[in-house]
Amino acid sequence: GQNIDQPTEMTATEGAIVQINCTYQTSGFNGLFWYQQHAGEAPTFLSYNVLDGLEEKGRFSSFLSRSKGYSYLLLKELQMKDSASYLCAVVDSNYQLIWGAGTKLIIKP
Amino acid sequence: GAVVSQHPSWVICKSGTSVKIECRSLDFQATTMFWYRQFPKQSLMLMATSNEGSKATYEQGVEKDKFLINHASLTLSTLTVTSAHPEDSSFYICSARDLEAGEYEQYFGPGTRLTVT
Repeated sequence: GQNIDQPTEMTATEGAIVQINCTYQTSGFNGLFWYQQHAGEAPTFLSYNVLDGLEEKGRFSSFLSRSKGYSYLLLKELQMKDSASYLCAVVDSNYQLIWGAGTKLIIKP
Repeated sequence: GAVVSQHPSWVICKSGTSVKIECRSLDFQATTMFWYRQFPKQSLMLMATSNEGSKATYEQGVEKDKFLINHASLTLSTLTVTSAHPEDSSFYICSARDLEAGEYEQYFGPGTRLTVT
């Protein structure tokens, strides 16, 4: 079967750094997405990784290791507005998105 | 980036009635559209995938006769919840993808909150 694992919930302090991990087992791999979803809103795109390595985009970075079936999203200089759920999703061999259950990130002052 | 709209953004209806939700890609042609449902504090649940001009593919456990999907054009898909019941109250989100342009990313609409009384 296809499986994507990420922690259910994480807590971090404003101004700090947090790393949200995602491990996957899918039939094929055509890239991995990270989305941010605030409560009551639709997901918004954060990053897309298809090759190994780190992609940096402002305060957010995303890392991929295809051999390990592993990715992480790194958030720096945390702000209160970063409190949200972060969804990991993998594009499988049929070009379908397989979604993780999401990680709820709580930022404390 | 690509924009997807949904209408209505929220709707309240009585039990037994039907509700239609529209999903439009505003500045690109969506070869594939997806319909998701999300209950409070839960993750996205894919309901069905539709390709323009063909029948939708429903996920296991989703009643195709209850959730009617029509993808009549490359910019419009509709989801009709027929004979709605209170347990159908949820956040319905559509997304669209232009696979022919090599786009694997799904662009999400803002969602429709359905409340069935």
